Amino acid sequence: DAGVTQSPTHLIKTRGQQVTLRCSPKSGHDTVSWYQQALGQGPQFIFQYYEEEERQRGNFPDRFSGHQFPNYSSELNVNALLLGDSALYLCASSPPWDQYYYGYTFGSGTRLTVV
Amino acid sequence: TQLLEQSPQFLSIQEGENLTVYCNSSSVFSSLQWYRQEPGEGPVLLVTVVTGGEVKKLKRLTFQFGDARKDSSLHITAAQPGDTGLYLCAVVNAGGTSYGKLTFGQGTILTVHP
Repeated sequence: DAGVTQSPTHLIKTRGQQVTLRCSPKSGHDTVSWYQQALGQGPQFIFQYYEEEERQRGNFPDRFSGHQFPNYSSELNVNALLLGDSALYLCASSPPWDQYYYGYTFGSGTRLTVV
Repeated sequence: TQLLEQSPQFLSIQEGENLTVYCNSSSVFSSLQWYRQEPGEGPVLLVTVVTGGEVKKLKRLTFQFGDARKDSSLHITAAQPGDTGLYLCAVVNAGGTSYGKLTFGQGTILTVHP
């Protein structure tokens, strides 16, 4: 049973460029969330998608945008990259029931380096 | 201010020692989750605690949820090098506009030396 898959695993971009990260959720999961994690810190919530709509958003600027497709896969787009956007970007999926107990399944992340 | 305060931030111990990681808040939660993250991987759910005073055991790991459901602890007995990683507590928002949002503590970086 494939878990959450993210691509690419590593990415190097130049300041000012745009980047797209991709996520396929675990089979049976319909909700996808994106997190940004600095080294040695807890992940920070970016936004969550459900039924192809952005359901909620964390404290991230509009440069961060996303999309969810009918097959529940998702993309995270970041425009006008800044050096501070360098981080591990995690995708997490959850089933349509009770994430309070069953929790979220995370992918291995995309390591983005902005130079 | 952080919703969840974890301590200590760093822990470096020898194989065989015991340790405890704390997760504290001034808010009351319906449930709390503990995750472990290894380098280059995403967090993996270890346990969810839902009842005040609840104690759950996972092999050498013991998780406790405070009676008032504001805090939790993770105790590891006889730590092994394979326990090395980032330990994260997290809560799921139960309602309102943040429904389903997972909020993490800052994490505890544990290193167990052979």
